[in-house]
Amino acid sequence: DAGVIQSPRHEVTEMGQEVTLRCKPISGHNSLFWYRQTMMRGLELLIYFNNNVPIDDSGMPEDRFSAKMPNASFSTLKIQPSEPRDSAVYFCASLQRSGNTIYFGEGSWLTVV
Amino acid sequence: GESVGLHLPTLSVQEGDNSIINCAYSNSASDYFIWYKQESGKGPQFIIDIRSNMDKRQGQRVTVLLNKTVKHLSLQIAATQPGDSAVYFCAENSHPANAGGTSYGKLTFGQGTILTVHP
Repeated sequence: DAGVIQSPRHEVTEMGQEVTLRCKPISGHNSLFWYRQTMMRGLELLIYFNNNVPIDDSGMPEDRFSAKMPNASFSTLKIQPSEPRDSAVYFCASLQRSGNTIYFGEGSWLTVV
Repeated sequence: GESVGLHLPTLSVQEGDNSIINCAYSNSASDYFIWYKQESGKGPQFIIDIRSNMDKRQGQRVTVLLNKTVKHLSLQIAATQPGDSAVYFCAENSHPANAGGTSYGKLTFGQGTILTVHP
């Protein structure tokens, strides 16, 4: 199995630029999650989709962040404009309808300078 | 507010020893708990889970204990190996409203414990 696939793995961008992170969940999984990990705040849930529909976006920091899931095999997390405080590791994860285990991707390491 | 937290931020053990990593949770309504292992540069990896109707569950070299009375969770690793060195997170699964038919949703993570195994 390919697992959850994220891209890019690493990105360095300048403040003010748009950043788009991509995720391909495990085939057959119907729930998708975006998490952010920082030293200060640990792992935080940003948004959660079920059957491509956003269920809970209460963790999205502000309007600069947006997420989409146009189909069952693809999701994006966009930051526009990016700020240095957005520097973090962003994880995508997916869950099978009948399962309990949430599987994580390897993360996208974002640095905003 | 509700949170999941760990007692010990770091744990150092000798290879071959048993390790115990602890976690306290505050949401008495939590009914599902998971332990994840995160190695450097990688995403969290599922280790073992337990439902609130159980107090113990065993896997390969790992055991999770749940004490609902004191809202405490622990992960025991037998015969710890250098490859077990990682950050270990406990997580609580909450059930969001209007989940669209899915029972499981958010994971609330603890801060993590760094386990270092010395050869």
